[in-house]
Amino acid sequence: ETGVTQTPRHLVMGMTNKKSLKCEQHLGHNAMYWYKQSAKKPLELMFVYNFKEQTENNSVPSRFSPECPNSSHLFLHLHTLQPEDSALYLCASSPRTGQYEKLFFGSGTQLSVL
Amino acid sequence: LAKTTQPISMDSYEGQEVNITCSHNNIATNDYITWYQQFPSQGPRFIIQGYKTKVTNEVASLFIPADRKSSTLSLPRVSLSDTAVYYCPAGNKLTFGGGTRVLVKP
Repeated sequence: ETGVTQTPRHLVMGMTNKKSLKCEQHLGHNAMYWYKQSAKKPLELMFVYNFKEQTENNSVPSRFSPECPNSSHLFLHLHTLQPEDSALYLCASSPRTGQYEKLFFGSGTQLSVL
Repeated sequence: LAKTTQPISMDSYEGQEVNITCSHNNIATNDYITWYQQFPSQGPRFIIQGYKTKVTNEVASLFIPADRKSSTLSLPRVSLSDTAVYYCPAGNKLTFGGGTRVLVKP
């Protein structure tokens, strides 16, 4: 148990569906992250939030829309996805942004787009 | 952009010491060196972090030479449960790389 909880663990959606991934951290951290991990590819940073403000968007397509209502919760809204978006989506948190900070990851949501 | 290079895979046997070396291209003066472990269908887990010389905790040791252009993660007396992918992301956490897949055999 890392203190970072992601739901759902598994999600299957069609290309026309709209769904949301949820992440909640119970560590009192102020920075939260979304990563994408495709099969046989490195972890890719998608978004970074620090004190609820987005500080990084790593050229992510607009069909992925993040939301951070407070420092404990992070959402990733999905719409009109493509099959190549199938991947493990990982949420992480850290006390604050900064290269010396340890990241605490959730177990991820395994997404399949049909 | 900071980038790291590490072997794709390594095999070992139970009870042996495993050493994984990571090359740090363009490491910045204030960058820390951090290692993570990832099991299938889970997120990466922090193992150890250092800036220079040697750091040891209950799980591993981290050796960093004076020029800081590489680091070596040492896992003492591995067991089957140490089979995982090990990452040494660049200091800003933006680039995790492909990691090293360690397989521990009985």
